Amino acid sequence: EPEVTQTPSHQVTQMGQEVILRCVPISNHLYFYWYRQILGQKVEFLVSFYNNEISEKSEIFDDQFSVERPDGSNFTLKIRSTKLEDSAMYFCASSTPRGRMGNQPQHFGDGTRLSIL
Amino acid sequence: KNQVEQSPQSLIILEGKNCTLQCNYTVSPFSNLRWYKQDTGRGPVSLTIMTFSENTKSNGRYTATLDADTKQSSLHITASQLSDSASYICVVSASNQAGTALIFGKGTTLSVSS
Repeated sequence: EPEVTQTPSHQVTQMGQEVILRCVPISNHLYFYWYRQILGQKVEFLVSFYNNEISEKSEIFDDQFSVERPDGSNFTLKIRSTKLEDSAMYFCASSTPRGRMGNQPQHFGDGTRLSIL
Repeated sequence: KNQVEQSPQSLIILEGKNCTLQCNYTVSPFSNLRWYKQDTGRGPVSLTIMTFSENTKSNGRYTATLDADTKQSSLHITASQLSDSASYICVVSASNQAGTALIFGKGTTLSVSS
């Protein structure tokens, strides 16, 4: 069964540095998402992306964050000038063309654990 | 304020037993309700998705119910297995002209013991 893959599985970065989290969505999916989960807390929506542009974003997704689909397979989340509170598990997800946030399941990767020192 | 509350926070049951997890929500306008299973260290995996008009949906040993009037949902697990040990997350989707939001519950941690 096709999977969403995320790299790296664990990223350790000094505070103030920039990080790029990478995701390869399922190949025929057209809607892409980023979520984060701070340790011990619930999953939080960050942003959704369709047709090479952001379709929705949460209050968390401020100017520090950006997303990009640089080629036909990768979907990236860039975090500039990282802060201690950015430490979390970041999940990428994708869904089929009729999904958006409608009635198709979102398929999640296993996440990248980001640790800011 | 849009919220999703789950209960219990954690649950321990013996292998082979049934259990029911609860989800109450105050989300408007409601679009759909999803249950996800999240194993430790893994991403969430979709179990069921229900729209306003659906009362029940099954996926193997998992059966979800939805009462849109009382804004409650439940996830029933039949004949539990050790591999059912995980966090079960209720997620409600809200849609309006400003866009669509996914509101996550904190999850119920289920431990199945032998």
